[in-house]
Amino acid sequence: AQSVTQPDIHITVSEGASLELRCNYSYGATPYLFWYVQSPGQGLQLLLKYFSGDTLVQGIKGFEAEFKRSQSSFNLRKPSVHWSDAAEYFCAVGVSGGYNKLIFGAGTRLAVHP
Amino acid sequence: ETGVTQTPRHLVMGMTNKKSLKCEQHLGHNAMYWYKQSAKKPLELMFVYSLEERVENNSVPSRFSPECPNSSHLFLHLHTLQPEDSALYLCASSQMGQGYNEQFFGPGTRLTVL
Repeated sequence: AQSVTQPDIHITVSEGASLELRCNYSYGATPYLFWYVQSPGQGLQLLLKYFSGDTLVQGIKGFEAEFKRSQSSFNLRKPSVHWSDAAEYFCAVGVSGGYNKLIFGAGTRLAVHP
Repeated sequence: ETGVTQTPRHLVMGMTNKKSLKCEQHLGHNAMYWYKQSAKKPLELMFVYSLEERVENNSVPSRFSPECPNSSHLFLHLHTLQPEDSALYLCASSQMGQGYNEQFFGPGTRLTVL
């Protein structure tokens, strides 16, 4: 069965520090992978996506993610975190053959210390 | 208006009330979705409409009744809700067709059932 695991429920980093949020997926075929961000009281905003090709994808707000098939991972990274990056981050896998179904991880809440 | 809009943004209702949530997408998409986001639980897909036909109903209680009058509008009619139905209700849209296309989310309606 398809699933997405985000092992870290909460992460706290200092402003200016680097960030890596982990995501592991279980999916039988080549996955469509996404990272969404949700600020408090807001909907989900797409940060980046991987469909095929280069395994290092660039997104908005200075984020990038790397698809590693051998590890079934799609970790999100940012070299220098800003206070405005404090939010909840969701990794998701898209299931083809139907209605663009998305399977979400439980999310990682990021806190940024000044 | 651009993207996906939802109204109202906040709603407080008693268990005997009847209310409706509205979603409108301005992206020209042909599929729309309702999700429920509760505290400490992963995002739950509730309903999916493709070309105004319901294609997914994830065992949602009958006190939630969706309606999709056209490809741009989606409603969620609520009646006789329970306190555990308090959550953030998110609407999304996507374009169904060749391959996989990402979903775009609205800001959500924060529902509180007293």
